[in-house]
Amino acid sequence: EAEVAQSPRYKITEKSQAVAFWCDPISGHATLYWYRQILGQGPELLVQFQDESVVDDSQLPKDRFSAERLKGVDSTLKIQPAELGDSAMYLCASSLAPGAEQYFGPGTRLTVT
Amino acid sequence: GIQVEQSPPDLILQEGANSTLRCNFSDSVNNLQWFHQNPWGQLINLFYIPSGTKQNGRLSATTVATERYSLLYISSSQTTDSGVYFCAVGSSSGSARQLTFGSGTQLTVLP
Repeated sequence: EAEVAQSPRYKITEKSQAVAFWCDPISGHATLYWYRQILGQGPELLVQFQDESVVDDSQLPKDRFSAERLKGVDSTLKIQPAELGDSAMYLCASSLAPGAEQYFGPGTRLTVT
Repeated sequence: GIQVEQSPPDLILQEGANSTLRCNFSDSVNNLQWFHQNPWGQLINLFYIPSGTKQNGRLSATTVATERYSLLYISSSQTTDSGVYFCAVGSSSGSARQLTFGSGTQLTVLP
């Protein structure tokens, strides 16, 4: 069964360091999403891609976060510099098209010390 | 943006009991999904149900889009059903169609 892949699964970093997360969506899925989930809350969208283009990044803190999907397949989310408040689960999801069923990867649990 | 409210926030059951989880939303939707988040944080797809009724084993779901709510039924609950259940909706307005999640229902099934 096709799955969304993410790495690393866990990341511990110090404040002010740079960190990057990688996501490989289900093959053929044109739409890719990055969500952030703070403990005890539901996930919230950070950025949405349609192929290689950003569709929505209104909730992405652009002073420190960046995301790219250069060839319209896998994607990287970067934080520089990391802050204590960035500690959270970062989830990647993909779907065939906007509005279609979304499938989530296992997530990257980030701890900033 | 669209608002999503889930109830109850917490639910404790004895193994074998039945339960109903509710999701209310504030606008018309073109996507509604129910997820189970396991202890490792993975979101498991339960149903894609913007309208109508579906069943999968001991689980079933109903969405009444005109009245802006969805229900998830769990019958003969098992300890492995424990975890957080999320409802997530995609608004019909706008082009992005991202999911907005509720705050979840924490289900604990006791042996």
